Amino acid sequence: AQSVTQLGSHVSVSEGALVLLRCNYSSSVPPYLFWYVQYPNQGLQLLLKYTTGATLVKGINGFEAEFKKSETSFHLTKPSAHMSDAAEYFCAVRPVNTGTASKLTFGTGTRLQVTL
Amino acid sequence: DAGITQSPRHKVTETGTPVTLRCHQTENHRYMYWYRQDPGHGLRLIHYSYGVKDTDKGEVSDGYSVSRSKTEDFLLTLESATSSQTSVYFCAISESGGRTYGYTFGSGTRLTVV
Repeated sequence: AQSVTQLGSHVSVSEGALVLLRCNYSSSVPPYLFWYVQYPNQGLQLLLKYTTGATLVKGINGFEAEFKKSETSFHLTKPSAHMSDAAEYFCAVRPVNTGTASKLTFGTGTRLQVTL
Repeated sequence: DAGITQSPRHKVTETGTPVTLRCHQTENHRYMYWYRQDPGHGLRLIHYSYGVKDTDKGEVSDGYSVSRSKTEDFLLTLESATSSQTSVYFCAISESGGRTYGYTFGSGTRLTVV
């Protein structure tokens, strides 16, 4: 079964600093990969996704992620953190070409704190 | 928003009572999912549906049942609520099983079992 590991349940950065949230997946075949963001008392919102094509994916709010097959990673980055980025972030994986039985599997989440 | 609503938003219930949570969508999407969110566990799949009356179990389905009698509604039932089922429950929908656009999530139902 596929799984994702998010390193660091809590990450704290200063406003204006680089944001790096780590995600590694385990799969014999590269899957579809997603990053979601959850603001307090809300549902999850899709930030970006990798399915095929370019390995550097740009999402909303200035975030981007790079799929690295050799490292089985899909780390999320943002060059300059803003206070509004404080939220919980989830990496998710979905197998490719496995029909209706496929579901998203989520990591345990990383809570991002942004300080002044 | 994507036209997915969950009801109720909050519920407190007693141990041993049945509870039904409702997910309603206006997008006519084929796939619907129920997840629970708990600290340290992320989101875990309870049940999902790939069409009317077509459902299957997820990784944490014990103690839960679901029904989907029409495209727009997906019901999650806790047959006899236990304190371990205190959680935030999220419904999600997708058009293509998540291949193209991932999932769209509802705002969640916070359930407390006392």
